Amino acid sequence: KQEVTQIPAALSVPEGENLVLNCSFTDSAIYNLQWFRQDPGKGLTSLLLIQSSQREQTSGRLNASLDKSSGRSTLYIAASQPGDSATYLCAVLTGANNLFFGTGTRLTVIP
Amino acid sequence: DVKVTQSSRYLVKRTGEKVFLECVQDMDHENMFWYRQDPGLGLRLIYFSYDVKMKEKGDIPEGYSVSREKKERFSLILESASTNQTSMYLCASNPGYGYTFGSGTRLTVV
Repeated sequence: KQEVTQIPAALSVPEGENLVLNCSFTDSAIYNLQWFRQDPGKGLTSLLLIQSSQREQTSGRLNASLDKSSGRSTLYIAASQPGDSATYLCAVLTGANNLFFGTGTRLTVIP
Repeated sequence: DVKVTQSSRYLVKRTGEKVFLECVQDMDHENMFWYRQDPGLGLRLIYFSYDVKMKEKGDIPEGYSVSREKKERFSLILESASTNQTSMYLCASNPGYGYTFGSGTRLTVV
């Protein structure tokens, strides 16, 4: 069964810093990988989707990379802001609507 | 943008009540899902549906049922609510190229 791990579980950085969140998965046979953001008590907001044939996707200050062969993805956040404080989840789709979620990284950006 | 709407943000129900959680999506997607999210357990799939009147059990279907009479609406039903069903419930749709989630329903069963 696919297992998805996110490291670190929590991260605290000063405002303006660039940071990297990590996601690893055990089975490289994936269709795509999706990064989500979740604010406390709220639903999930999709940030970036990377298809299995792609290496990276960018949206504004966010850049996500995918190395399928090694089972890793990173989410890079440039020039972090207090509004970026949230929990970030990665999820891999292995087909037939089998979506496996990571454990999440709780990010705090200190003003 | 795709919109997935969950009708209630917060619900408080009594043990034994029949509870309906409603979810509507506006993009004619065939695939819809219900998850629950609990601290330390992450998101777990309850039920999903590929099309109208079609449903499939997820990882934790016990105590739940679903209804999909129209393509845009997918309802989660707690036949007899119990305190261990207190949780955050999340609905999602997926056209095949990424999931869109609703804002969640925080259900408390007392």
